[in-house]
Amino acid sequence: KAGVTQTPRYLIKTRGQQVTLSCSPISGHRSVSWYQQTPGQGLQFLFEYFSETQRNKGNFPGRFSGRQFSNSRSEMNVSTLELGDSALYLCASSNGAVGELFFGEGSRLTVL
Amino acid sequence: GESVGLHLPTLSVQEGDNSIINCAYSNSASDYFIWYKQESGKGPQFIIDIRSNMDKRQGQRVTVLLNKTVKHLSLQIAATQPGDSAVYFCAENRDNAGNMLTFGGGTRLMVKP
Repeated sequence: KAGVTQTPRYLIKTRGQQVTLSCSPISGHRSVSWYQQTPGQGLQFLFEYFSETQRNKGNFPGRFSGRQFSNSRSEMNVSTLELGDSALYLCASSNGAVGELFFGEGSRLTVL
Repeated sequence: GESVGLHLPTLSVQEGDNSIINCAYSNSASDYFIWYKQESGKGPQFIIDIRSNMDKRQGQRVTVLLNKTVKHLSLQIAATQPGDSAVYFCAENRDNAGNMLTFGGGTRLMVKP
């Protein structure tokens, strides 16, 4: 069974640009969560989608958005990038068991 | 998926010894606690979980202890192996909160051969 796949793995953007990150969950998993990981703030929850609906949202500005498609694949978008958005963005999927998340290897975003 | 914390607490143990990693949580309303392991270049990996109606749960070579009175969680790893070297995170959740986990800052475990 394939794990959680995130693309791209690495990307470099400049301030003011926008970025879209993609996540393919484990087959059969309907919940997809996104987390931001930085050295200073650690792992922080961005949002969770379940059956194409946003179920929870963390404390991030509106520049951070996401969506989930009918096949459970998810994307997150960050608009008007700031230097502080440089981070590892992790996607995790779940079969419904709360907390038992299966993480991908992340998309490392560098904003210059 | 490296977790680079410039000021991550570090626990260094000898191979074969037992390890104890501690975590303090903040939300007394949390119902559910999880430990994750993150190896360099990878995403966090689920290790073990415990609900607030329990104070101890055992897995394979790992035990989680929960003390709700002082809001403290610990992960014990028996007979620590080099493959256990990683950053360990505790996370808390509340019922009806989906997968909106609040993670602790992490502890780096280094196993000396």
